Amino acid sequence: DAGITQSPRHKVTETGTPVTLRCHQTENHRYMYWYRQDPGHGLRLIHYSYGVKDTDKGEVSDGYSVSRSKTEDFLLTLESATSSQTSVYFCATGPRQGLEEQYFGPGTRLTVT
Amino acid sequence: AQSVTQLDSQVPVFEEAPVELRCNYSSSVSVYLFWYVQYPNQGLQLLLKYLSGSTLVKGINGFEAEFNKSQTSFHLRKPSVHISDTAEYFCAVSDRTGANNLFFGTGTRLTVIP
Repeated sequence: DAGITQSPRHKVTETGTPVTLRCHQTENHRYMYWYRQDPGHGLRLIHYSYGVKDTDKGEVSDGYSVSRSKTEDFLLTLESATSSQTSVYFCATGPRQGLEEQYFGPGTRLTVT
Repeated sequence: AQSVTQLDSQVPVFEEAPVELRCNYSSSVSVYLFWYVQYPNQGLQLLLKYLSGSTLVKGINGFEAEFNKSQTSFHLRKPSVHISDTAEYFCAVSDRTGANNLFFGTGTRLTVIP
């Protein structure tokens, strides 16, 4: 267990409001990732980080931003939430590039009304 | 770019019967392959992975998978399933470069029937 927590675990918000999801890890892993999970799509990468203040876009990054000011925290922000962003969001971490699998958090269920 | 196809969205199987969950991938480069399992209301956990070497990979909970390069497949098998194996299973591929980004299939829901 890689010691990954996500907060909040559930959130309901209205269209147009900003939302920030937090991922916290205690394993000192270098890499961190945000995914969204939707029926029929599996998991899709939103953004990832390869170090403090080093981030890059994934497959579905439009409408999302991220920040990583400390090794242990990776924040995902929806600047102005839309109903299409209703989803389950998973954070994952990876100790190093290449060989290692990723370790997943428990997920955050976000509903945008 | 990499992509993964899981051919069956749902697989019902009777308890103690064998099961195979199919996964095919597409990539122009060498890849690493993974199977993850997701139990209800939980995150994903690794079942097994193929990095190199023997094409038959054994994982947790009695699962195994075989990498077939010519058919670009990585099918997951278990000889005798248990009720507790009911879950969603995801195949994923990594392109061995950059930040080890994973590309996931759409998942197969395995339901074990008593």
